[in-house]
Amino acid sequence: EDQVTQSPEALRLQEGESSSLNCSYTVSGLRGLFWYRQDPGKGPEFLFTLYSAGEEKEKERLKATLTKKESFLHITAPKPEDSATYLCAVQAVGAQKLVFGQGTRLTINP
Amino acid sequence: NAGVTQTPKFQVLKTGQSMTLQCAQDMNHNSMYWYRQDPGMGLRLIYYSASEGTTDKGEVPNGYNVSRLNKREFSLRLESAAPSQTSVYFCATRAEVTYNSPLHFGNGTRLTVT
Repeated sequence: EDQVTQSPEALRLQEGESSSLNCSYTVSGLRGLFWYRQDPGKGPEFLFTLYSAGEEKEKERLKATLTKKESFLHITAPKPEDSATYLCAVQAVGAQKLVFGQGTRLTINP
Repeated sequence: NAGVTQTPKFQVLKTGQSMTLQCAQDMNHNSMYWYRQDPGMGLRLIYYSASEGTTDKGEVPNGYNVSRLNKREFSLRLESAAPSQTSVYFCATRAEVTYNSPLHFGNGTRLTVT
């Protein structure tokens, strides 16, 4: 069964303090790994898709990386507006559905 | 360009009442999905429609029915609401179900069943 585990559940950082969020996954064959950002009271907003080990994607202060077992979302010099819940999801080869992790709630203090 | 629109935004039901959650998209996507999101449980798939005219069960379909009315609209019905169905419900769309296209979500319906 496909599984996604995100850690930590919650992370509190000071503004400018870089860190990483982890997404560990187990799938029979990975078709794609997706990162989303979710603000309170809103639906998840798409950030990145990663397809194969070694791939990296960047957007502003965020960089996502992928290995055969996990993905990291690196946040460099975060700002308070980066505070949100970050969700990871995987799609297996041949599957029609995404499997989501439980998310990491990130808080950036000014 | 609204993207994915869900109505209503909030709803309170009594146990045993019925209601339909509406979802409409203007993205011309083929696939549509209904998820529920509960604290500590993440997003769980209720039903999906890979294309107009088809629907399939997800992880947690019990107590729900769906209708893919046309390419734009996908509704979720609770025939007899139960407190366990208190949740935030998200509709999502996707260009193609088997490709690597991402899901696009609406802003949710917050349902409380008392």
